[in-house]
Amino acid sequence: GESVGLHLPTLSVQEGDNSIINCAYSNSASDYFIWYKQESGKGPQFIIDIRSNMDKRQGQRVTVLLNKTVKHLSLQIAATQPGDSAVYFCAELKAAGNKLTFGGGTRVLVKP
Amino acid sequence: ETGVTQSPTHLIKTRGQQVTLRCSSQSGHNTVSWYQQALGQGPQFIFQYYREEENGRGNFPPRFSGLQFPNYSSELNVNALELDDSALYLCASSLAGLVETQYFGPGTRLLVL
Repeated sequence: GESVGLHLPTLSVQEGDNSIINCAYSNSASDYFIWYKQESGKGPQFIIDIRSNMDKRQGQRVTVLLNKTVKHLSLQIAATQPGDSAVYFCAELKAAGNKLTFGGGTRVLVKP
Repeated sequence: ETGVTQSPTHLIKTRGQQVTLRCSSQSGHNTVSWYQQALGQGPQFIFQYYREEENGRGNFPPRFSGLQFPNYSSELNVNALELDDSALYLCASSLAGLVETQYFGPGTRLLVL
């Protein structure tokens, strides 16, 4: 399949360990944040979202943390599996807006 | 897999040519957003179509244009292609402009020579 990105920051993690992916966002007016996973040859896939009035949200094996003070977002993946290998993007959205602004992405490589 | 399909999957054009990319939205979705993803970068919003009208546009020149049809499928047209237009073009469909719940297609890889 095609490569999503050749020069992305890369996080190498051992299978079974936890992964933490970080993202700095720019717009303090953003109301809503989403994490996407993009595998080779595919479009971005929704993982989890969080609204600006929250600081933590949990899903299945994933947790998103939001620190509005420093405009920082993180995605934690518990017990990382080989299928988690992909490029991960954060995206921000202003309230009532329709324009998602994506960050630069992080490649996660899971070592067996 | 999402129900969003795009065609063609790959395309090679030369500078100055025109290209049309197509997107079929997921059943029941009336909104289509288009994004350009250069290699190594996140997707950038081009524009959105809702009920056959443009409903927001990113920082792209007028030679990027689009259409949405009554069945909510959509086209992205790019005129006077430039080398920097080489990218993966993604469409995403959603209901009533709610990009929070949009589903992406697999993209069309465009190479401009």
